[in-house]
Amino acid sequence: AQRVTQPEKLLSVFKGAPVELKCNYSYSGSPELFWYVQYSRQRLQLLLRHISRESIKGFTADLNKGETSFHLKKPFAQEEDSAMYYCATPPKDYGQNFVFGPGTRLSVLP
Amino acid sequence: GAVVSQHPSWVICKSGTSVKIECRSLDFQATTMFWYRQFPKQSLMLMATSNEGSKATYEQGVEKDKFLINHASLTLSTLTVTSAHPEDSSFYICSALDRGSSYEQYFGPGTRLTVT
Repeated sequence: AQRVTQPEKLLSVFKGAPVELKCNYSYSGSPELFWYVQYSRQRLQLLLRHISRESIKGFTADLNKGETSFHLKKPFAQEEDSAMYYCATPPKDYGQNFVFGPGTRLSVLP
Repeated sequence: GAVVSQHPSWVICKSGTSVKIECRSLDFQATTMFWYRQFPKQSLMLMATSNEGSKATYEQGVEKDKFLINHASLTLSTLTVTSAHPEDSSFYICSALDRGSSYEQYFGPGTRLTVT
């Protein structure tokens, strides 16, 4: 069964510091992984997915199959990055569901 | 991008009454919609998966007779909380799967339910 873990419930960094939000997964077959973000009082939204290898709002994430990780990174955190971040894997077959990690609350301090 | 709406955004009801929450995909068809519950400062908890035209699949521990889900069309799914109790107070979020977009999932803004 697919599983996603995010070991940190809360991560605090100072503005301008690098940030890394950890995500580890267990997945049979070729993994697909997403990062979602939820800003305060806003809806959950897709931040990025590994398949597109894009950079959104300065965030990147690389799939490391050897370490089964998909950590989210940003070299210089901004205060507006403060939010709840969820790592997730999509359904593999029709009728299955997304599997979300427990989430990490990122707090960027001034 | 695709939009999912929820109605109402906030509802207060008395214990013992029923509340219906609607989830609509506005500009795409969603054969699958998900209903989540989110407690303050906690992760999303999947309650059920709703497939158009068939019965919803409930997660373990979720009472199907209490949380009635109907996905009657490709753009609408409803969640009815029956005989609500204060412990049902929570934030309920729906999402819709756009299968035309590589499993991209779009989330509604959520509905805050307060049962008094």
